[in-house]
Amino acid sequence: GAVVSQHPSRVICKSGTSVKIECRSLDFQATTMFWYRQFPKQSLMLMATSNEGSKATYEQGVEKDKFLINHASLTLSTLTVTSAHPEDSSFYICSAREDVRGEFFGPGTRLTVL
Amino acid sequence: GENVEQHPSTLSVQEGDSAVIKCTYSDSASNYFPWYKQELGKGPQLIIDIRSNVGEKKDQRIAVTLNKTAKHFSLHITETQPEDSAVYFCAASPYKGGASKIIFGSGTRLSIRP
Repeated sequence: GAVVSQHPSRVICKSGTSVKIECRSLDFQATTMFWYRQFPKQSLMLMATSNEGSKATYEQGVEKDKFLINHASLTLSTLTVTSAHPEDSSFYICSAREDVRGEFFGPGTRLTVL
Repeated sequence: GENVEQHPSTLSVQEGDSAVIKCTYSDSASNYFPWYKQELGKGPQLIIDIRSNVGEKKDQRIAVTLNKTAKHFSLHITETQPEDSAVYFCAASPYKGGASKIIFGSGTRLSIRP
């Protein structure tokens, strides 16, 4: 299958700081990437759809000013958690859509906000 | 909108036996049904998918069946091995590509007993 990387894999930060997570499709171009959040023992919750060259589409209840998404190229999307608080601690996963082969996920980023 | 239900939530089988996970969906417009395997601390991995024009698809020990009339689809794992232990998610989407959202089931935690 296609390869999607995510960086960093783990991050610990202080409350009030901002954290940027990168998602890259390594062997294909993705006009659409997705950002998910996953709580322990739960399913994936879609946060937003990242569209190359245009604004992201956010799901209901997700604050766009809190979770900034930038899709600068066909292989890179970034999620910035601004002014992070302990309740933002979670497992964040990105995915990239390839029209023929389907949707492929990154390895995830574990964010811990102290 | 689409709603995907998945059963059972947990499943324990003896090594070598078969495991079956079942899902139902609500939106008749769904035409693409991927299955993902997620190991602890990792992102989901696409293991098999099926489109609505096919009733069954097999890849070695893994098979997926689809009953579009009943809106049911199932994952079958034969000759289970310890490395099959993971959380499995079914999903449904109108299209394999583009920006259409994939709706996930709640997940099944599969444990293989030695």
